[in-house]
Amino acid sequence: EPEVTQTPSHQVTQMGQEVILRCVPISNHLYFYWYRQILGQKVEFLVSFYNNEISEKSEIFDDQFSVERPDGSNFTLKIRSTKLEDSAMYFCASSGDAGSNQPQHFGDGTRLSIL
Amino acid sequence: AQSVTQLGSHVSVSEGALVLLRCNYSSSVPPYLFWYVQYPNQGLQLLLKYTSAATLVKGINGFEAEFKKSETSFHLTKPSAHMSDAAEYFCAVTDPGGKLIFGQGTELSVKP
Repeated sequence: EPEVTQTPSHQVTQMGQEVILRCVPISNHLYFYWYRQILGQKVEFLVSFYNNEISEKSEIFDDQFSVERPDGSNFTLKIRSTKLEDSAMYFCASSGDAGSNQPQHFGDGTRLSIL
Repeated sequence: AQSVTQLGSHVSVSEGALVLLRCNYSSSVPPYLFWYVQYPNQGLQLLLKYTSAATLVKGINGFEAEFKKSETSFHLTKPSAHMSDAAEYFCAVTDPGGKLIFGQGTELSVKP
């Protein structure tokens, strides 16, 4: 079964540094998402992306965050200047359709640790 | 606005016993509801979904959930727990824009 893959599985970065989290969505999917889960808290929506532009973003997704689909397969999340509170598990997801009834398929996540 | 509440952050059952994980939702439109499971060090795997067809939804690994509009509930059940069911379970609802709104999660422990 096709999978969403995320790299790296664990990223340790100094505060203030830039970090890029990478995702390869399922190949025929058109809608892409990033979520995060701070330890002990619920999974939160960050951003959705379709047709090379952001469809929706949450309050968390401020100017320090950006997303890009640089080629036909990768979908990246960049944090320009990381803060301690950015430490979390980041999940990428994709779906074949934007309909609210379409399931999103998730990767295994990247654990981001900011020191 | 859409929201999800999962009652019980931790549920413990004996192997072979009934599993019941509770989820209540709030939605301003007919909801689309999902249960996801997260095994240790893994991502979120879709267990089942409700999309307004049948109110009783069967999923993978013997799980099922029943949509009850009058109770605004979508509880997850499994008749007989297995050790391999130990994981964290998340109930989620989509908003009209398509993003998932998750509950807090319920950690299921299965005792031998």
